[in-house]
Amino acid sequence: AQSVTQLGSHVSVSEGALVLLRCNYSSSVPPYLFWYVQYPNQGLQLLLKYTTGATLVKGINGFEAEFKKSETSFHLTKPSAHMSDAAEYFCAVAESGGSQGNLIFGKGTKLSVKP
Amino acid sequence: DGGITQSPKYLFRKEGQNVTLSCEQNLNHDAMYWYRQDPGQGLRLIYYSQIVNDFQKGDIAEGYSVSREKKESFPLTVTSAQKNPTAFYLCASSIRQGGGYTFGSGTRLTVV
Repeated sequence: AQSVTQLGSHVSVSEGALVLLRCNYSSSVPPYLFWYVQYPNQGLQLLLKYTTGATLVKGINGFEAEFKKSETSFHLTKPSAHMSDAAEYFCAVAESGGSQGNLIFGKGTKLSVKP
Repeated sequence: DGGITQSPKYLFRKEGQNVTLSCEQNLNHDAMYWYRQDPGQGLRLIYYSQIVNDFQKGDIAEGYSVSREKKESFPLTVTSAQKNPTAFYLCASSIRQGGGYTFGSGTRLTVV
């Protein structure tokens, strides 16, 4: 069965500092991996996704993530945090191939950005 | 512009009443989903539908019901059997595996 673990329910960084949000997954087949962002009282917005090909994926708002099969990880990074990055971030995994699989979401990491 | 519309944004109901949350999409997506979100618990799948006139239970289907009579619409009814219905409800759709989900803006249901 697939699962997603996000390490740290809350992460706080200073404006301009590196953002690192951790995501580890388990999957018996090559996964599709996603990061979503959610602002208060809003739906989730897709930040980036990995399906096949290049393992370093660039997304919106300056975020990127690297698929590391050996570490079963898909950590989200941004070189310099901005106040507008304060939100909750969700990592998700789906199975590739075969019938359409549902996304499995992590429990989320709330990012705070200090001035 | 294409997207998913959830209505209403906020909903208040008295305990013991059924309530229906609306979800409409004009993306021509085949699959649609309903999630419940509570603080610290992430997203929990209630029901999903891969095609019209077919749907499956998710992880927390008890106390909920759905229908999928049209490709564009996937309403969720929160019944009086749901013991703790106050939550934020999110609807999503997808066109194919690997494409990710498109989410609506959510409905916050408060039962008093």
